[in-house]
Formats: sequence, structure tokens, C-alpha cells
Amino acid sequence: SQTIHQWPATLVQPVGSPLSLECTVEGTSNPNLYWYRQAAGRGLQLLFYSVGIGQISSEVPQNLSASRPQDRQFILSSKKLLLSDSGFYLCAWSVPSKGYRNSPLHFGNGTRLTVT
Amino acid sequence: AQTVTQSQPEMSVQEAETVTLSCTYDTSENNYYLFWYKQPPSRQMILVIRQEAYKQQNATENRFSVNFQKAAKSFSLKISDSQLGDTAMYFCAFMKRSGGGADGLTFGKGTHLIIQP
Repeated sequence: SQTIHQWPATLVQPVGSPLSLECTVEGTSNPNLYWYRQAAGRGLQLLFYSVGIGQISSEVPQNLSASRPQDRQFILSSKKLLLSDSGFYLCAWSVPSKGYRNSPLHFGNGTRLTVT
Repeated sequence: AQTVTQSQPEMSVQEAETVTLSCTYDTSENNYYLFWYKQPPSRQMILVIRQEAYKQQNATENRFSVNFQKAAKSFSLKISDSQLGDTAMYFCAFMKRSGGGADGLTFGKGTHLIIQP
């Protein structure tokens, strides 16, 4: 069966410090991978998605970046965190499909980031 | 672009009652998928139910069912015989039919459902 691991679970970082959140998926090959952010009192906002190694699409311009160095590894980074980067970050995966039946997204347990 | 609207920020019902969460969406797409996700206090996102837009029959999963009105662009979730463990944030989500690309989900802002003992 497929599993998704996301870490760390909780992170407190000062403004201006770098960020690296990691997500790995097991049990599937060439998944679509996603990073979402959930701010307090708001829904989930898609930040990045990837259909393959080195292929990253950004949905929202900001000081965050994403990378996919391996097929089942997705990393969210920042060189200098802002206060507004605080939130709950969720990694997700889905099975890519060229047919009609799309697979839903499966989420990791999330990382709560507090920028102080 | 798609939008998803959940007009009920919070709802509270007694255990064993039936509750309906509303969701409307706006899209120019004809083929798409709709989902309800549950986010309990653990913050994990759990898929509750899904609906393919081409299917007229409403999806059901045990105590969970949907009322899908494509013309009205409405997708409500009904929870029957509610249980304390149903207490969570519920998100309605939309996904375009994918032609091989990576279409993410567009989420509503969520409804906080509280089941009272």
C-alpha cells in the first residue's frame, strides 16, 4: 500500500531564516506531488505541483520554492522566511491518469510552521 | 478559474442527528470531480466521498451521502446518525478532469462541524 511521510510535524523558525520541509511517498511510482498551505481560518491553497523529477509548477508567486530531486521526494524551501509564511503545510500525492478516472489526492499529516 | 464556496463556517448538532453541509462551485468545465474531505483535530486530511460530474447518481459511503445538482452547481454532504468522531473541519473540493497534467484541488474555506454529546 502507498504511504506518505512528511516532516517535521512542527517547526518554529525566526523571520529571515531558511526553510526546508520534506515529503516522501512510498509504494507508488511517478506520482503527482503537491504542496498546499492552510492558513488559519482559510481553506487550502495550492502552492506547487510536480508531475515528474525536476518538473515544478508554481501556482502562487511568493518567496517559497519547491524541488523534486527524486521520483518520490518533494521538498518545500525558502531562503528567508516571512511572518506571513506561518501556516499548516500539507504534502499530497495522486496517481497520474491520462484517462477519465482521476485519482483523488492523498495527504500527509502536515507540518505546522510558526515564523516568529 | 474555479471557485468553491462553503457558506456555513460552523455548524453544531446533537449526536445521532442528521446534518447537511452545503457547497456550491463555479466552473466553465463540463467534466470534473467533486470531493468532500474531513480534517479532524489531528489535522490529517481524509477523503470522505467523491462524485464524478458525469454520473447522475449521488455517491454514498455508509453514513455519508451527497446531493449533487449539476445544473445548480451544488454539492451538499449529508451525514446521517452523526457521531462524536464526525467532529472536524469539512472541505468541499473541485478537480478538473485531467488530460495527463496535474490538476490540483480547489478547496472551499471549510465548515467546522461540531457533534454535541
